[in-house]
Amino acid sequence: EVQVVESGGGLVQPGESLRLSCAASGFIFANYWMSWVRQAPGKGLEWVAHMDQDGSQKNYVDSVKGRFTISRDNAKNSLYLQMNSLRAEDTAIYYCTRDNYGVDWFDPWGQGTLVTVSS
Amino acid sequence: DVVLSQSPLSLPVTLGQPASISCRSSQGLVHKSGNTYLSWFQQRPGQSPRRLIYNVSNRDSGVPDRFSGSGSGTDFTLKISRVEAEDVGVYYCMQGTHWPPYTFGQGTKLEIK
Repeated sequence: EVQVVESGGGLVQPGESLRLSCAASGFIFANYWMSWVRQAPGKGLEWVAHMDQDGSQKNYVDSVKGRFTISRDNAKNSLYLQMNSLRAEDTAIYYCTRDNYGVDWFDPWGQGTLVTVSS
Repeated sequence: DVVLSQSPLSLPVTLGQPASISCRSSQGLVHKSGNTYLSWFQQRPGQSPRRLIYNVSNRDSGVPDRFSGSGSGTDFTLKISRVEAEDVGVYYCMQGTHWPPYTFGQGTKLEIK
């Protein structure tokens, strides 16, 4: 079964850091671009970042550029999101998903991990 | 950035009746490859998003055939032929043709009247 499982969320204060993880299984992780998407409480979906199979291409939404870093470890079938200088507006559920055009694009989604930035 | 505008934002529907959601893009969504990367997602209350349709009109495995996607260029539509109780939730369109960033519509909340 194709599956992604996010972890690492929690409650942090503004300005602090957090590292999210996404464990992939059921597919050849090294063959896929991967994306992070977030959803603030009661709000819509916002794409955050993605990267290609070997890390040579990375893109971010403007609001997180310079603060967030996406990375991966293909040997561990894992995707990461290092979040620094966190702000209240980063409070959201963070999801990871596959990002290859076609039948696998943005499918499936995990259960997400909640990040709360509050003093 | 490409802006996707969904309408309506709220959609009360009687069980068994059809429903339609529009998604209009600020730019044409035909990719240089010739494909149009417009997908539809369903998010039921308390659940993660689930993709229903990819590349405008391709229904995902396990998605009931009462769901269909259509459109071209800048105008796209998700139709439900006969709404069932399990269809309650929020529906999002998303484009992947022009990036970064990928963008989503605001969401349409479907409820049973």
